[in-house]
Amino acid sequence: EVVLTQSPGTLSFSPGERASLSCRASQIVSSNYLAWYQQRPGQAPRLLIYGASSRAPGIPDRFSGSGSGTDFTLTISRLEPEDFAVYFCQQYDRSSYAFGQGTKLEIK
Amino acid sequence: QVLLVQSGPEVRKPGSAVRLSCKASGGASSTYAVIWVRQAPGQGLEWMGGIIPVFDTTNYAQKFQGRVTITADDSTDTVYMELSSLNSEDTAVYFCARESVPLRGFDLWGLGTLVTVSS
Repeated sequence: EVVLTQSPGTLSFSPGERASLSCRASQIVSSNYLAWYQQRPGQAPRLLIYGASSRAPGIPDRFSGSGSGTDFTLTISRLEPEDFAVYFCQQYDRSSYAFGQGTKLEIK
Repeated sequence: QVLLVQSGPEVRKPGSAVRLSCKASGGASSTYAVIWVRQAPGQGLEWMGGIIPVFDTTNYAQKFQGRVTITADDSTDTVYMELSSLNSEDTAVYFCARESVPLRGFDLWGLGTLVTVSS
């Protein structure tokens, strides 16, 4: 099974700053079937990015995804107060739908 | 608009099993993958297994092989997840999730079902 590693576990930023979150796979993610989710406390996850770089419908354009192969990045260009949450990457190539362990964005 | 409606909270004793349901309403298609994900208190998301109902194909995370079974009932657009040999570490919120469009991530999520395992 592919193992996804997100590091660091916590990142601290101020509103308005730019944040980049990393997700590294233990082997190549086929066809870039890599997604990013946001989860706020007490809520279900929310799909942000699929196919490594495509925004899901209704997601603000301050969220962008990049990368291929084994290294992927989620970038939030200007942090809004509601963006401070936990972010998970997931690969979904039909053989596995494993998640990374998550990165928490906290307010500095 | 498709919604995923999950069954209610459960309390089980160690060694027993639990069966959860996830019903799609509003024009669901059996072509698309449905997965089960759990989240223990204060922890991350853990994928357990998935099913593509129209093909009746399932796959399970290695950690849960032999202990989890996922099935689907096309007539009611419901997917079930049964987890056996429960222990206290299985106490968690269990989510089902579905893709609206194949291979574009899981954009539909249920609200989650809390399963508590306690003697």
